[in-house]
Amino acid sequence: NAGVTQTPKFRVLKTGQSMTLLCAQDMNHEYMYWYRQDPGMGLRLIHYSVGEGTTAKGEVPDGYNVSRLKKQNFLLGLESAAPSQTSVYFCAIATGIAGNYEQYFGPGTRLTVT
Amino acid sequence: AQKITQTQPGMFVQEKEAVTLDCTYDTSDPSYGLFWYKQPSSGEMIFLIYQGSYDQQNATEGRYSLNFQKARKSANLVISASQLGDSAMYFCGGGATNKLIFGTGTLLAVQP
Repeated sequence: NAGVTQTPKFRVLKTGQSMTLLCAQDMNHEYMYWYRQDPGMGLRLIHYSVGEGTTAKGEVPDGYNVSRLKKQNFLLGLESAAPSQTSVYFCAIATGIAGNYEQYFGPGTRLTVT
Repeated sequence: AQKITQTQPGMFVQEKEAVTLDCTYDTSDPSYGLFWYKQPSSGEMIFLIYQGSYDQQNATEGRYSLNFQKARKSANLVISASQLGDSAMYFCGGGATNKLIFGTGTLLAVQP
């Protein structure tokens, strides 16, 4: 987890509330990712970014928005939280160098939507 | 389409024995990587080992080795000399830099 931090670590929301999860890295990596982890489902990619100012949809993007205004930060937003978004959210980073696909993960954020 | 399949929801192994965790993949990318991550009960994702699709030899990292069989599209993780601290969930992942996907995981329990 060195070099990748996530804020907050835990959060409880009520249905319809909004929030932003912050991922910050100090490794100067180009690629950043947001995953969600649900029991029995493994990790699923929500959105990713291949560089400052760019974002793209992953496997399960609905209900989420992202922004990468600065290279070191990748924000995940929930505009109107739903119970189905109760999950553990992981941020990951990668160098983006061709052939080097290793991803480094943050410690995770546990979100509960009631 | 890309898919990672881990068919073993749970595995038991005796301490000091070797164990193989299965992973098969399906990808249309000509260049890709295959990974294994460990997730202990504390929740963090710990990188274990990586194999590139063009690598000629199987990857090894200490007690971990990746048995890569391209024709069978399998990337099994072999843990030698299991330790109690190896008890965790193990995820196989694969793809290219912007298309990494994961299997559903295998829960490994190491018994003394």
